[in-house]
Amino acid sequence: EAGVTQFPSHSVIEKGQTVTLRCDPISGHDNLYWYRRVMGKEIKFLLHFVKESKQDESGMPNNRFLAERTGGTYSTLKVQPAELEDSGVYFCASSQAGGGYGYTFGSGTRLTVV
Amino acid sequence: TQLLEQSPQFLSIQEGENLTVYCNSSSVFSSLQWYRQEPGEGPVLLVTVVTGGEVKKLKRLTFQFGDARKDSSLHITAAQPGDTGLYLCAPVGGSNYKLTFGKGTLLTVNP
Repeated sequence: EAGVTQFPSHSVIEKGQTVTLRCDPISGHDNLYWYRRVMGKEIKFLLHFVKESKQDESGMPNNRFLAERTGGTYSTLKVQPAELEDSGVYFCASSQAGGGYGYTFGSGTRLTVV
Repeated sequence: TQLLEQSPQFLSIQEGENLTVYCNSSSVFSSLQWYRQEPGEGPVLLVTVVTGGEVKKLKRLTFQFGDARKDSSLHITAAQPGDTGLYLCAPVGGSNYKLTFGKGTLLTVNP
């Protein structure tokens, strides 16, 4: 089966611009998660979808971040306007029935805000 | 707030050596997952441990979950260059199974 796909793999944008990251989970996986690693820090949870519904967005840094999951399929994470501290690697992961027995992660999107 | 510590932070060894890396917390885990991450890739699941005292083996990798479910270890026997990577432990928490990652142990196995 195809894995979790993230696009783009890299993005360099200027402070104040908008960027949209996309994640295509494994087909049939209802649970989709976004995580982020900023330089020198641990990977941290951002939010969790079950199908198209947000179950937990407690990790979203602020209201400049907006995540959507259209029709319960792919998900987008938009950062508007981007700030320097938003730089990092954004990972998407999916699981079939909760993540209790493991997730499949995508390769990540490396975002650099200059 | 759960404190999660992985040690050592860096480890460089020669091919054929054995090693153990540790994951410790101030909290009790319901379950814990170990992942390995290579440069430019996302974490890849190695194992999930659920029961206190549980031991799981994956070829040359042995995972142990502490009796009190507050710590875990990963032992690699006869390490190979292909074992090089960042080893991450991640307790699973909450009804949505979100992960809390440690900073990881960066392992380099030299040929």
